[in-house]
Amino acid sequence: DGGITQSPKYLFRKEGQNVTLSCEQNLNHDAMYWYRQDPGQGLRLIYYSQIVNDFQKGDIAEGYSVSREKKESFPLTVTSAQKNPTAFYLCASTLVGGRGNTEAFFGQGTRLTVV
Amino acid sequence: DAKTTQPTSMDCAEGRAANLPCNHSTISGNEYVYWYRQIHSQGPQYIIHGLKNNETNEMASLIITEDRKSSTLILPHATLRDTAVYYCIVRVAESGTASKLTFGTGTRLQVTL
Repeated sequence: DGGITQSPKYLFRKEGQNVTLSCEQNLNHDAMYWYRQDPGQGLRLIYYSQIVNDFQKGDIAEGYSVSREKKESFPLTVTSAQKNPTAFYLCASTLVGGRGNTEAFFGQGTRLTVV
Repeated sequence: DAKTTQPTSMDCAEGRAANLPCNHSTISGNEYVYWYRQIHSQGPQYIIHGLKNNETNEMASLIITEDRKSSTLILPHATLRDTAVYYCIVRVAESGTASKLTFGTGTRLQVTL
């Protein structure tokens, strides 16, 4: 079945360590996105990518980095520069096309806790 | 992409229709209206989208006003499982374009017995 997979579901790290969250999709989607969600809040865009080897900053990119070496994969690294990294992280993907057929598919999220 | 405004929360009795409004007064002619919902601690789920005509699928109906400045998502017979946060977003959908896909804070719908 086609879908978008995030791993791991829960992640614990010590303060000051970098950590990489995985996002893989087999939907042949061009665009991929990373969001952060804090308790009781909406989704805030971190980074997005329209095509391989290209990505743009979202609204809260500081302290995060991404790469897009393959169409299927868009890993997110939470660096030690991110002051408050504990959050729920969501990855999404969409087609890039016309006729409005660009609904987003989301992974089930990774809950990162930094202690 | 245009900004959307939604009420923070709404209640609905089980079995009744839930009508969730969304204001998108700055929408452009090439922007679609999309609705998603997020059940606690899960990834958001696509519900429905439209450009200017009303749309219906197995989950919901979408009513877009003639001037396209607002829309309403209708869940015809709400159940307890429809309790979730509902997000309305507008998005350009042109070939070769991937916009930022920005979500607001959504409407928290509570369905009660």
